[in-house]
Amino acid sequence: NAGVTQTPKFQVLKTGQSMTLQCAQDMNHNSMYWYRQDPGMGLRLIYYSASEGTTDKGEVPNGYNVSRLNKREFSLRLESAAPSQTSVYFCASSSTTGSSGANVLTFGAGSRLTVL
Amino acid sequence: SQELEQSPQSLIVQEGKNLTINCTSSKTLYGLYWYKQKYGEGLIFLMMLQKGGEEKSHEKITAKLDEKKQQSSLHITASQPSHAGIYLCGADSNYGGSQGNLIFGKGTKLSVKP
Repeated sequence: NAGVTQTPKFQVLKTGQSMTLQCAQDMNHNSMYWYRQDPGMGLRLIYYSASEGTTDKGEVPNGYNVSRLNKREFSLRLESAAPSQTSVYFCASSSTTGSSGANVLTFGAGSRLTVL
Repeated sequence: SQELEQSPQSLIVQEGKNLTINCTSSKTLYGLYWYKQKYGEGLIFLMMLQKGGEEKSHEKITAKLDEKKQQSSLHITASQPSHAGIYLCGADSNYGGSQGNLIFGKGTKLSVKP
């Protein structure tokens, strides 16, 4: 099983450039998430999608857009990259949402983004 | 909003030693999750705790949730180099009225010296 697949693994951008991080899961999960991980800040939720066709903001959504293309795919777009968006981005999925205590996330391997 | 505080931030132990990592919540925990992250990789799920006083073990790792459901501990017995990594606790949170999203502590970096 591939689980959660993210692309690209590494990317270097110049300030103002745009890019899209792709994420796909093959576990038939309903919910998908984008987190960013920064030193000293831990993991912070950017956006999530509880089910196909819905998306909601997380803790740090500014500067990002998302698209839940279908049940398998959830993309994260940076329209105009800024140095503050230099981070490691993780996509995750889970089979349940709204059921407290039963939200085990499966994570992708991460995408390391550097904005110069 | 709910916050998770992990301690210590980093830990260096000699192989074979026991260690404990703590995770304290500012609010009652309704679901507490432990994950491990190897350097440069994604997070791997370890265990989930839901009930006050609950304890779970997997191999040499034991996780507990206190009776008040505001603190969890992760204990590793006879540590090995394979235990090295970053341990993160996560808890169910509530963003925009929707449940099902985890918030995370900042992680504890564990190094095990052979």
